[in-house]
Amino acid sequence: GENVEQHPSTLSVQEGDSAVIKCTYSDSASNYFPWYKQELGKGPQLIIDIRSNVGEKKDQRIAVTLNKTAKHFSLHITETQPEDSAVYFCAASSHPYGNKLVFGAGTILRVKS
Amino acid sequence: DAGVIQSPRHEVTEMGQEVTLRCKPISGHDYLFWYRQTMMRGLELLIYFNNNVPIDDSGMPEDRFSAKMPNASFSTLKIQPSEPRDSAVYFCASNLNGRSSYEQYFGPGTRLTVT
Repeated sequence: GENVEQHPSTLSVQEGDSAVIKCTYSDSASNYFPWYKQELGKGPQLIIDIRSNVGEKKDQRIAVTLNKTAKHFSLHITETQPEDSAVYFCAASSHPYGNKLVFGAGTILRVKS
Repeated sequence: DAGVIQSPRHEVTEMGQEVTLRCKPISGHDYLFWYRQTMMRGLELLIYFNNNVPIDDSGMPEDRFSAKMPNASFSTLKIQPSEPRDSAVYFCASNLNGRSSYEQYFGPGTRLTVT
């Protein structure tokens, strides 16, 4: 089955700096790669996603890149703000409509002001 | 919309007791997912339904776990009998089968503690 590895497990950055979180996956059939943000005491919330027919996608300060050959994808957050502090999860799915997501272990991002 | 609603938010029970977690998906959504989150195993998909029918329950850890969806607006996850290793946060999520968005909307979770 699919296996998703995520690095780093914790990341501290200064406010205004960029943050990069990387994930690798094992199943070459995976074609949907979302990123979820989880704040303390809440459920995960989708922040951006990418499908295998796209190499990069951007939404304001957040961007995701995908390299299907190498089977890895990354989340980039620019101009970080204190409210970006949270746990971020990558995931992958080879199923229709992105069902049956396999999540990475998560990255705790701390933005220091 | 109120979002995905889960109850109870916290549950403390003794080993051997039956536990029932409840979920109300977002109105109109046709997929419902149950996840479990622990420090050791992360976020795992247990089971998901489409139009109230279980599609994949391969993530259900053992026969002590069962899930039902009697109608489009209600689902339960039952653990009987419960064990300390079942302690976790259980999330319910829902989405609408669409070509443009695969987003799953998560509820706030139920924190289960089995003593």
